[in-house]
Amino acid sequence: QSALTQPPSVSGSPGQSVTISCTGTSSDVGRYNRVSWYQQPPGTAPKLMIYEVSNRPSGVPDRFSGSKSGNTASLTISGLQAEDEADYFCSSYTSSSTYVFGSGTKVTV
Amino acid sequence: QVQLVESGGGLVKPGESLRLSCAASGFTFSDYYMTWIRQAPGKGLEWVSYISSSGSSIYYADSVKGRFTISRDSAENSLYLQMNSLRAEDTAIYYCARLIRPGRYFDYWGQGTLVTVSS
Repeated sequence: QSALTQPPSVSGSPGQSVTISCTGTSSDVGRYNRVSWYQQPPGTAPKLMIYEVSNRPSGVPDRFSGSKSGNTASLTISGLQAEDEADYFCSSYTSSSTYVFGSGTKVTV
Repeated sequence: QVQLVESGGGLVKPGESLRLSCAASGFTFSDYYMTWIRQAPGKGLEWVSYISSSGSSIYYADSVKGRFTISRDSAENSLYLQMNSLRAEDTAIYYCARLIRPGRYFDYWGQGTLVTVSS
């Protein structure tokens, strides 16, 4: 199972919006609405930010939003803040009953 | 509150074995699927394995199949990963995480334990 494809890095100024793409196949991202996104600041464990494509867990700011079209999911951070600087990973359940992660995207503010 | 605490990491030589543990608290451990996820130094996340709440359903990534064994002990509220025939490419931080429901997402993560495989 190959990793989902994400851009290595994106950057934006405070207050701007950035979007991270996550491209898979019809066997994972395109097959199920089971894409999740995780934020990982340096030296820390990943934290769930979006689940099932577009849902935010309690406590996650509404600046974070998710969507999906075909085999590509996206995470958008609106009103970028310094504290959003981190690595972001997407993940999807697959038709083999396994999981696959994205290659990761470093967000620089 | 939900807590997951990994232990058992360390430095081993290629071909050796290691057993990781994950102590769970703050929730009914026997109700949840659990998983291991790893991250090589400076690299991305890689899903390793998951086990059903009863232990009867288990899946592995191809990269560890036949070498790693996941297990759980509900009496001890603990998750385990037995790693045999370790290779340099198994060097990583190993995280345990809770699966909210089968086929869904990882809602809580531990802080990880570092495994280094080197001669």
